Amino acid sequence: EPEVTQTPSHQVTQMGQEVILRCVPISNHLYFYWYRQILGQKVEFLVSFYNNEISEKSEIFDDQFSVERPDGSNFTLKIRSTKLEDSAMYFCASTRDSEQFFGPGTRLTVL
Amino acid sequence: GENVEQHPSTLSVQEGDSAVIKCTYSDSASNYFPWYKQELGKRPQLIIDIRSNVGEKKDQRIAVTLNKTAKHFSLHITETQPEDSAVYFCAASRDNFNKFYFGSGTKLNVKP
Repeated sequence: EPEVTQTPSHQVTQMGQEVILRCVPISNHLYFYWYRQILGQKVEFLVSFYNNEISEKSEIFDDQFSVERPDGSNFTLKIRSTKLEDSAMYFCASTRDSEQFFGPGTRLTVL
Repeated sequence: GENVEQHPSTLSVQEGDSAVIKCTYSDSASNYFPWYKQELGKRPQLIIDIRSNVGEKKDQRIAVTLNKTAKHFSLHITETQPEDSAVYFCAASRDNFNKFYFGSGTKLNVKP
């Protein structure tokens, strides 16, 4: 059964550095998402992406964040100048209707 | 925007007993309510979902009920087994392709 994949599983970075989190959605899916979960808190929506552009973004998704689909398979989340409070689990998801399929997540630790 | 509240945060039951997890939502326009199970270190996986035109849905030992008037929905697991131990998340969404608003999660522990 096809699955959403994410790399890396764990990323450690210094405050102020840029990170790129990578996702490969399920191949025939049309909508892609990024969510994050700060330890002990709810899973929160960051951004949705359709037809090569952002369809919606939350107030969390400020100028520090960007998303890209650089080729036919990858979907990336870039965080510029990371802050301590960016430490969280980041989940990618994709869908072709209502059910969203989640990747295993990338744990980002900002030191 | 939507606000989804989930209770309890932890639930411990004896194997064979039933478990019930409850969620409330605030946006009357929400019409899709999935439940996800997340085992330790693994991805969230859909276990059951319900749409607002249905009051109840069942899949073997798992059922979900929805009360649109009261804006709450519940997950029922009967004859619990140790492998049901996980964190369960409810979510609400307006339409297909729309973002999910998640509850805070319930850690279910099924004691053998």
